[in-house]
Amino acid sequence: EAQVTQNPRYLITVTGKKLTVTCSQNMNHEYMSWYRQDPGLGLRQIYYSMNVEVTDKGDVPEGYKVSRKEKRNFPLILESPSPNQTSLYFCASGPGGASYEQYFGPGTRLTVT
Amino acid sequence: QKEVEQDPGPLSVPEGAIVSLNCTYSNSAFQYFMWYRQYSRKGPELLMYTYSSGNKEDGRFTAQVDKSSKYISLFIRDSQPSDSATYLCAMSNGGSNYKLTFGKGTLLTVNP
Repeated sequence: EAQVTQNPRYLITVTGKKLTVTCSQNMNHEYMSWYRQDPGLGLRQIYYSMNVEVTDKGDVPEGYKVSRKEKRNFPLILESPSPNQTSLYFCASGPGGASYEQYFGPGTRLTVT
Repeated sequence: QKEVEQDPGPLSVPEGAIVSLNCTYSNSAFQYFMWYRQYSRKGPELLMYTYSSGNKEDGRFTAQVDKSSKYISLFIRDSQPSDSATYLCAMSNGGSNYKLTFGKGTLLTVNP
């Protein structure tokens, strides 16, 4: 089944404790991206990647890092999480090229206390 | 002015009704338009993907784009309780960053 997977689905952590949220897609997509979704603010892009080793900032990149060492994986790293990073996070992937559609993962609900 | 405006609802309709969901936008560079459905505690699911102006139909769903008015719509015919979800519009200007700009979503409830 074609899909985007994320792990963990739920995470509660404390301020300052480094964490990684994994994202993997099995559709051989060139493009991958991370979004956060907050009430009243909607979906906002954090980082995106056009291909292996090619990443760039989205609209809200502060406090996050990403890497793209393999085409299928695009982990999101919070090196020193803070309570304002409590949010619902989605990974998405898309074919790229002439196609702008994106397919989303199931989401990771992160709480930072 | 926000780039994409979407009435948050909530919208409540009886089963079998025709539902109309809409977004307006201000950026005339948008040329790719999408509708996503998001069930509670789930990821957005791509429903419709269109390029430029015109209509696209897929089963009970019809997407319309009017670039001259900067207005897009999603119609759901013969609505079902399983259609109850938040519907998000999304748009892209076709740039090299493939960024999607989302509306804030409309919460739809279809009552049996």
